[in-house]
Amino acid sequence: GESVGLHLPTLSVQEGDNSIINCAYSNSASDYFIWYKQESGKGPQFIIDIRSNMDKRQGQRVTVLLNKTVKHLSLQIAATQPGDSAVYFCAEILGANSKLTFGKGITLSVRP
Amino acid sequence: DAGVIQSPRHEVTEMGQEVTLRCKPISGHNSLFWYRQTMMRGLELLIYFNNNVPIDDSGMPEDRFSAKMPNASFSTLKIQPSEPRDSAVYFCASSFGQLNQPQHFGDGTRLSIL
Repeated sequence: GESVGLHLPTLSVQEGDNSIINCAYSNSASDYFIWYKQESGKGPQFIIDIRSNMDKRQGQRVTVLLNKTVKHLSLQIAATQPGDSAVYFCAEILGANSKLTFGKGITLSVRP
Repeated sequence: DAGVIQSPRHEVTEMGQEVTLRCKPISGHNSLFWYRQTMMRGLELLIYFNNNVPIDDSGMPEDRFSAKMPNASFSTLKIQPSEPRDSAVYFCASSFGQLNQPQHFGDGTRLSIL
């Protein structure tokens, strides 16, 4: 799979390959992060979250990595499937009473 | 389990008309959020409620926009009068507890103002 920053709007991967979607967040004090997946015509769907006291968290076929030193968050999708095609957003939040701030999103396109 | 339910899914109306968007949050959630999504600006938080009380409406673009939450299971977002630049997809989301908890989104209302 390819690793791109959110300034590039599209990531294209071959079905079966691993995907890596990267996000540079803005606030070094942010302590909670969420990855969302948005399919066409639907609302953002929660995928996985991570708090700042962790470096890594795994779900089903997905892993989120957090590097606080460089303010970098990544979403890894194993064995990418056509159903993974969507726009992915990272979101950050600072503390228990702050608003969720969304990144601009990146489109993941899975080639058959 | 029922997720966040929004209605209508699509709304097309002429400028100047009043538009009302509706949201039913997930049962048991005590925070509700209204977002607007456009290609140019992405996802923007308009307003959020906690325990039916508006906490922060700083994202509401103008006085033409208003939101209410009369009870824990229903909220409305109203635009009066509507303008073409209000055309967007409007999402409602809900969560349980404080803001640093996952928000769950509805499928949105696609609004077109002619």
